[in-house]
Amino acid sequence: KQEVTQIPAALSVPEGENLVLNCSFTDSAIYNLQWFRQDPGKGLTSLLLIQSSQREQTSGRLNASLDKSSGRSTLYIAASQPGDSATYLCAVKGRTGANNLFFGTGTRLTVIP
Amino acid sequence: NAGVTQTPKFRILKIGQSMTLQCTQDMNHNYMYWYRQDPGMGLKLIYYSVGAGITDKGEVPNGYNVSRSTTEDFPLRLELAAPSQTSVYFCASSTGQGAYTIYFGEGSWLTVV
Repeated sequence: KQEVTQIPAALSVPEGENLVLNCSFTDSAIYNLQWFRQDPGKGLTSLLLIQSSQREQTSGRLNASLDKSSGRSTLYIAASQPGDSATYLCAVKGRTGANNLFFGTGTRLTVIP
Repeated sequence: NAGVTQTPKFRILKIGQSMTLQCTQDMNHNYMYWYRQDPGMGLKLIYYSVGAGITDKGEVPNGYNVSRSTTEDFPLRLELAAPSQTSVYFCASSTGQGAYTIYFGEGSWLTVV
């Protein structure tokens, strides 16, 4: 069974700093990987989706990379802002079936003004 | 811009009571999902549906039932509530599986006492 791990569980950085969030998964036979943002009391919002054949995806100040062979993905946030404070979750999708999206436990990011 | 709408947002149940969490989406998505999120844990799939009239169990289906009579609606029923069902419940939908972004509702906080 796929296991998804996110380290660290929590991270505090001063405003303006660049930062990296990590996601690792145990089974490299994935279809894609998504990064989500979750604000307190809210649902999840998809940030980036990387197909298994891709190495990275970018959206604004966010860049997600995927190294399928080593079972790792990173989410790079440039020039962090207080509005980036949230919990970030990664989820990997297996190759078959609709019931195979596996979530990590998330990294809670706090950007200090 | 409704997206995925869940009701109620908060509910307290007594042990042994039953209730239904409502979920509706206005994006004409075929795929719908129910997840639960326990504190410090990743999301776990309860049930999913690939279209009206078709449902299937996810990873943690015990104590729950679903139905999908229309494309828009995917209610989750809790029978004989137990303290172990205290959690945050998220409904989600997507066009299909694979490369499609998954959209989440804002969550329903359920406490069983």
